[in-house]
Amino acid sequence: SQKIEQNSEALNIQEGKTATLTCNYTNYSPAYLQWYRQDPGRGPVFLLLIRENEKEKRKERLKVTFDTTLKQSLFHITASQPADSATYLCALASGGAGGTSYGKLTFGQGTILTVHP
Amino acid sequence: DGGITQSPKYLFRKEGQNVTLSCEQNLNHDAMYWYRQDPGQGLRLIYYSQIVNDFQKGDIAEGYSVSREKKESFPLTVTSAQKNPTAFYLCASSLGRERNEQFFGPGTRLTVL
Repeated sequence: SQKIEQNSEALNIQEGKTATLTCNYTNYSPAYLQWYRQDPGRGPVFLLLIRENEKEKRKERLKVTFDTTLKQSLFHITASQPADSATYLCALASGGAGGTSYGKLTFGQGTILTVHP
Repeated sequence: DGGITQSPKYLFRKEGQNVTLSCEQNLNHDAMYWYRQDPGQGLRLIYYSQIVNDFQKGDIAEGYSVSREKKESFPLTVTSAQKNPTAFYLCASSLGRERNEQFFGPGTRLTVL
């Protein structure tokens, strides 16, 4: 069966360090992968999207990699700050234009990141 | 001010009652989605709609119903048939095929007493 796993439930790091979160998947052929940030009691907010034919994407202090051979995505936050503390969700989309499941995302369970001052 | 709204933020319901959660968007998005989130878990898809007057079941549709009579609105009814309805419910919308970033509402926390 299809499965998405984010490496750990919680990650604690010191301010200024790089946080690395992992998203692994099995029995899936995603067209693209997305990362979201969710604060307690609020809806997720989109951060980055990476397509199956892209290796790496960057946005300010964020970097995402996508390895379809390893079936893994890594999400990095460099120079982390306490304000980066949140739950981070990866989501995979399969299917493409014309597919009945187009636009449908499957989410991982999330990793709670805490950045200590 | 564009966005997606959900109401109410907190909802209490007695067992055996149906309840409807509201979701409205003014982003002119074609697609809309309903998710359920339980503590320590990711989002699970209940229903989604790609266009007005059409919707499909997600992974956990049993005990729920939806309608999509207007592009802006996608209400979710939690029926008495849903065995464990207490959860955080999130509505989302998105643009077309090439850009499937989803925009989420603030969520409704439903508690069954």
